[in-house]
Amino acid sequence: ELKVEQNPLFLSMQEGKNYTIYCNYSTTSDRLYWYRQDPGKSLESLFVLLSNGAVKQEGRLMASLDTKARLSTLHITAAVHDLSATYFCAVGPIYNFNKFYFGSGTKLNVKP
Amino acid sequence: GAVVSQHPSRVICKSGTSVKIECRSLDFQATTMFWYRQFPKQSLMLMATSNEGSKATYEQGVEKDKFLINHASLTLSTLTVTSAHPEDSSFYICSASEGPTIYFGEGSWLTVV
Repeated sequence: ELKVEQNPLFLSMQEGKNYTIYCNYSTTSDRLYWYRQDPGKSLESLFVLLSNGAVKQEGRLMASLDTKARLSTLHITAAVHDLSATYFCAVGPIYNFNKFYFGSGTKLNVKP
Repeated sequence: GAVVSQHPSRVICKSGTSVKIECRSLDFQATTMFWYRQFPKQSLMLMATSNEGSKATYEQGVEKDKFLINHASLTLSTLTVTSAHPEDSSFYICSASEGPTIYFGEGSWLTVV
């Protein structure tokens, strides 16, 4: 079974600061996804990373993928309170395109 | 754009009864859908793969007789929680894909009292 480890689990930060969330996975994959979840809601797609070295940016968030190291990062630049949410990475194994295994999630709290 | 819709969004049922949750792909056909479960403040756990016209594939540790999955058409998969107990209370989310894009439903909150 594919294992996905995310850290940190909790992140409390001040507005304006930078931080990185890490996602490690245990088996070969060529797809990694980042999602945001607000309390009581479903998942909002943030990034889809489909190749080694892929880097995508949207606003204050930037995601990257290193398939050789089996590592993805989600970098937050100059955090704002609106970014407070839980962030999940999800990995799809090569043998099944649509199947996901999720990381434990990182609960981000950005203090004003 | 394509949407995956779940119904109901919230349901409360009594212990021992069964409850059905629907997952529909509104603008596309999905031969495969996935069901996930999320306990409060925890991650999403893949429960099963729903296959149109054939039996669902369950992840290790998921009771197939308790969580019945039916995928009778290319746009509808249903998850029935049978003989529900309070420990089945959770957030259930389905997903379906159209090409390389994965869509998640809005989720269904189940509370068993």
